[in-house]
Amino acid sequence: GAGVSQSPSNKVTEKGKDVELRCDPISGHTALYWYRQSLGQGLEFLIYFQGNSAPDKSGLPSDRFSAERTGGSVSTLTIQRTQQEDSAVYLCASSLAGNNQPQHFGDGTRLSIL
Amino acid sequence: QKEVEQNSGPLSVPEGAIASLNCTYSDRGSQSFFWYRQYSGKSPELIMFIYSNGDKEDGRFTAQLNKASQYVSLLIRDSQPSDSATYLCAVDNQGGKLIFGQGTELSVKP
Repeated sequence: GAGVSQSPSNKVTEKGKDVELRCDPISGHTALYWYRQSLGQGLEFLIYFQGNSAPDKSGLPSDRFSAERTGGSVSTLTIQRTQQEDSAVYLCASSLAGNNQPQHFGDGTRLSIL
Repeated sequence: QKEVEQNSGPLSVPEGAIASLNCTYSDRGSQSFFWYRQYSGKSPELIMFIYSNGDKEDGRFTAQLNKASQYVSLLIRDSQPSDSATYLCAVDNQGGKLIFGQGTELSVKP
């Protein structure tokens, strides 16, 4: 079946612009996660959606970052007033409901802020 | 102390040898442990997960977990050049989100 789909695969934008990154999880997966991976850094958790529960936003680095998930499926991560330090690969993962479920990653969006 | 620690490597092994990758974690309440493989420029790919103490085998891969020592490892038998990648250890901190180590770079020499 289809895996996690992310778009765009690459995004180049100027400092100060807003960007939207999209994630379409694996069909049937109710949990959706956003991570980012900066050059030379490990994967950093950003936000987690599980069904209709309130999202865990504890990893968002600033109030310029927000995410929503519509209809329990597709999610959009928005970064407002982008800064150069926002340059990274943004990875989305999804999993089945319940604790300890393996997470499967999409190919990521490589974001470059000029 | 970092929550999840791995040797960054690079770890170099000859083709056909056993590669041993190690990971320690700080949260004693962690319940589930994952190994991901990441090729350069690609996204992480799940290769193993383990929940209980002991060994879990899948083909050439064996994951080992020791919760008392807060230690998880990945053994790759009969290493192949195609196994050359960065291996990421990840721990579920009981909230669903994964905490990742920095990764160990493995190089398998023909």
